[in-house]
Amino acid sequence: SQTIHQWPATLVQPVGSPLSLECTVEGTSNPNLYWYRQAAGRGLQLLFYSVGIGQISSEVPQNLSASRPQDRQFILSSKKLLLSDSGFYLCAWSLTGNNSPLHFGNGTRLTVT
Amino acid sequence: GQQVMQIPQYQHVQEGEDFTTYCNSSTTLSNIQWYKQRPGGHPVFLIQLVKSGEVKKQKRLTFQFGEAKKNSSLHITATQTTDVGTYFCAVRGSNYQLIWGAGTKLIIKP
Repeated sequence: SQTIHQWPATLVQPVGSPLSLECTVEGTSNPNLYWYRQAAGRGLQLLFYSVGIGQISSEVPQNLSASRPQDRQFILSSKKLLLSDSGFYLCAWSLTGNNSPLHFGNGTRLTVT
Repeated sequence: GQQVMQIPQYQHVQEGEDFTTYCNSSTTLSNIQWYKQRPGGHPVFLIQLVKSGEVKKQKRLTFQFGEAKKNSSLHITATQTTDVGTYFCAVRGSNYQLIWGAGTKLIIKP
């Protein structure tokens, strides 16, 4: 069966520090991969998605970037965090195809101080 | 761009009462997905509706897709404490990515 791993679970970082969140998927090949952000008590905002290695689409311009160095690895990065980057970051995968549901990791709760 | 409106934002119920959340679109949808997010947790896929007028049940949960495929609802009968969380609908956008409703938070009154 497929599993998704996302780490760390929580993170407290000072403003201006770098960020690296990692997500890996097991049990499937060539998945679509996604990074979402959720502010407290709010809905889901799609940040990036990828349909293959090295292919990244950005939905929202910001100081974050994403990379997919391997088929089942998705990384979210920032060179300098802002206070507004605080939130709940969720990685997700889906099979290719329009009707495939998303399967989320447990999320990383990021607090920028 | 395409949007989906989900109401209400919150619903407070006594345990044992029913709960309903609605999603509406101005355009015809190819399908709609429903997710549940427990407090502090991540969204979990519940179901997908594809056919016009489709009704699917999962125990106390009933999902409906409108005849015109522009609206959908999730109804929970006799809510329990395990139902607490936020329920999201999601639909496919023009670039094949999901467009999410704002969510309806189910709160059980003490």
